[in-house]
Amino acid sequence: SQQGEEDPQALSIQEGENATMNCSYKTSINNLQWYRQNSGRGLVHLILIRSNEREKHSGRLRVTLDTSKKSSSLLITASRAADTASYFCATEGYQKVTFGTGTKLQVIP
Amino acid sequence: DTGVSQNPRHKITKRGQNVTFRCDPISEHNRLYWYRQTLGQGPEFLTYFQNEAQLEKSRLLSDRFSAERPKGSFSTLEIQRTEQGDSAMYLCASSRPQNSDDTQYFGPGTRLTVL
Repeated sequence: SQQGEEDPQALSIQEGENATMNCSYKTSINNLQWYRQNSGRGLVHLILIRSNEREKHSGRLRVTLDTSKKSSSLLITASRAADTASYFCATEGYQKVTFGTGTKLQVIP
Repeated sequence: DTGVSQNPRHKITKRGQNVTFRCDPISEHNRLYWYRQTLGQGPEFLTYFQNEAQLEKSRLLSDRFSAERPKGSFSTLEIQRTEQGDSAMYLCASSRPQNSDDTQYFGPGTRLTVL
């Protein structure tokens, strides 16, 4: 079963705009991770945020975590066509990582 | 390229046949995971190993599925008597947990098509 639900399921933006994706989850977690998947390929780890952290940055990525609401958001600033991919949140609980259903992002050049 | 390799990349088989996939993790990683992913969905956990020990299996892993990691290095996933519902991408990931952080590095996957 999927632990997380990403919102929106699909997002289409113009190059240069910002993209925001949200993830909600159900149970307590140790950390939350975001992954990217290009069509038909494996997943690539983007960023990890621990349960005691509220915000984290990595390049053009900004992740927030609100454990009281059991939600996280991923912001990609100044999007590029190469950012076109599916983005998944993954929550890590006891000895197991559970993935959400993903947001499909399309960045139009 | 994350350093995790999977073979074959694609497998087409007829219903009822057995198939076996292989995963070679990053060499110093002690954990190895198998996931299944169908179109439009996130990866679903199947099983994972800590070194050679299989520590957890999902209820998705029916008795037709078996996974091994005999020497704590590469792993194989076998599906016996394949069914059309087994058609999916099978992903392998490896990790070396540190300080409760378990960042997983994924292979490119094996796409299985059961006719």
